Amino acid sequence: ETGVTQTPRHLVMGMTNKKSLKCEQHLGHNAMYWYKQSAKKPLELMFVYSLEERVENNSVPSRFSPECPNSSHLFLHLHTLQPEDSALYLCASSQVLGQGTIGTEAFFGQGTRLTVV
Amino acid sequence: QKEVEQNSGPLSVPEGAIASLNCTYSDRVSQSFFWYRQYSGKSPELIMSIYSNGDKEDGRFTAQLNKASQYVSLLIRDSQPSDSATYLCAVTPGGYQKVTFGTGTKLQVIP
Repeated sequence: ETGVTQTPRHLVMGMTNKKSLKCEQHLGHNAMYWYKQSAKKPLELMFVYSLEERVENNSVPSRFSPECPNSSHLFLHLHTLQPEDSALYLCASSQVLGQGTIGTEAFFGQGTRLTVV
Repeated sequence: QKEVEQNSGPLSVPEGAIASLNCTYSDRVSQSFFWYRQYSGKSPELIMSIYSNGDKEDGRFTAQLNKASQYVSLLIRDSQPSDSATYLCAVTPGGYQKVTFGTGTKLQVIP
């Protein structure tokens, strides 16, 4: 299994549907992230989980709901999305080593290309 | 105030030239610095990490860090068309803090 795996790779959903994106990391990391990247726009940080606790929620609409059941898995539950939510959704993980330690790099999954119709 | 700033570009350089990409950051306690490359429609991939002041070389890539000036750069020597991508600077203070990304600089290498 490669480092960070996201499923599905592509998703088309209607505005009334409910779906979930899944991310799994096999790197032994303890922090996981959801990013949104719209066409020709920079990465937007959505949520951060560190040590399985949500530590950041960047004013994301409630139609996006994250879940982190353990340090290896991260979900993004989607419901009643809008067409402007169509984007590449990227999951990443990194290792936080504790107070006074240097930070380590984040590794990304391949992303889920979401289209809302 | 943005935490990590990059010129969005595009930066155009001819094939074989040196491409210079710059990044400034606002958090003085930052300790770890990374450069990622992202091709269109793909996820970012790590190409360089640097933790100490000075230069770090890896093949055609050189990362330069100046903590006093809160500045990190990436030089790409002998630029190739395959280097055309968006380059993201990322910074973290370490400890329990997250990695923060800049908005990226788009590089175009002209054959």
